[in-house]
Amino acid sequence: GQQVMQIPQYQHVQEGEDFTTYCNSSTTLSNIQWYKQRPGGHPVFLIQLVKSGEVKKQKRLTFQFGEAKKNSSLHITATQTTDVGTYFCAKGGNTGNQFYFGTGTSLTVIP
Amino acid sequence: KAGVTQTPRYLIKTRGQQVTLSCSPISGHRSVSWYQQTPGQGLQFLFEYFSETQRNKGNFPGRFSGRQFSNSRSEMNVSTLELGDSALYLCASKRASGEQYFGPGTRLTVT
Repeated sequence: GQQVMQIPQYQHVQEGEDFTTYCNSSTTLSNIQWYKQRPGGHPVFLIQLVKSGEVKKQKRLTFQFGEAKKNSSLHITATQTTDVGTYFCAKGGNTGNQFYFGTGTSLTVIP
Repeated sequence: KAGVTQTPRYLIKTRGQQVTLSCSPISGHRSVSWYQQTPGQGLQFLFEYFSETQRNKGNFPGRFSGRQFSNSRSEMNVSTLELGDSALYLCASKRASGEQYFGPGTRLTVT
């Protein structure tokens, strides 16, 4: 269906360690978006990937779109306590106007 | 620019009642999407409106409906409320390039 699987579901890291979350789809994706939701907050847009093999960086965050456009990853280098939250990927639907969110990865950073 | 606003922020209703939630998108954004977020089901797409027309609909029963006005403001309505409708309802304003900007949400509790 429209489900997008994300792994892991939870991740606890020591501050300064790296973190990666993966998003996998059984079908080819037209595009993929990444969002961050802080506890008690709402999702905040981070990035959109469209091209096969695309890699984009935002400071300590690196986003990748797989060559087959069936998976994506978000990597955070040297985590900080401000990185705490749930990271969601979202895939575009058939018309590109609706988005289906992944199950999310909840990141806890231990100071 | 002002962000996405949603009213009310909190609602408590009883089973069988109906509820209307409101969303004002970012000025200039013509697309509005609605999502339901629950701990068990995650973030689920409800529907998307563009220029007063529903373009896409998620897999929700007909009790969930919405509309969009000429000024792009949107409302969603849930009739005959059930306990399982308790959730955070999020509205997202979308740019033509695809990025979604979420409002703070309406927390609905059905008792």
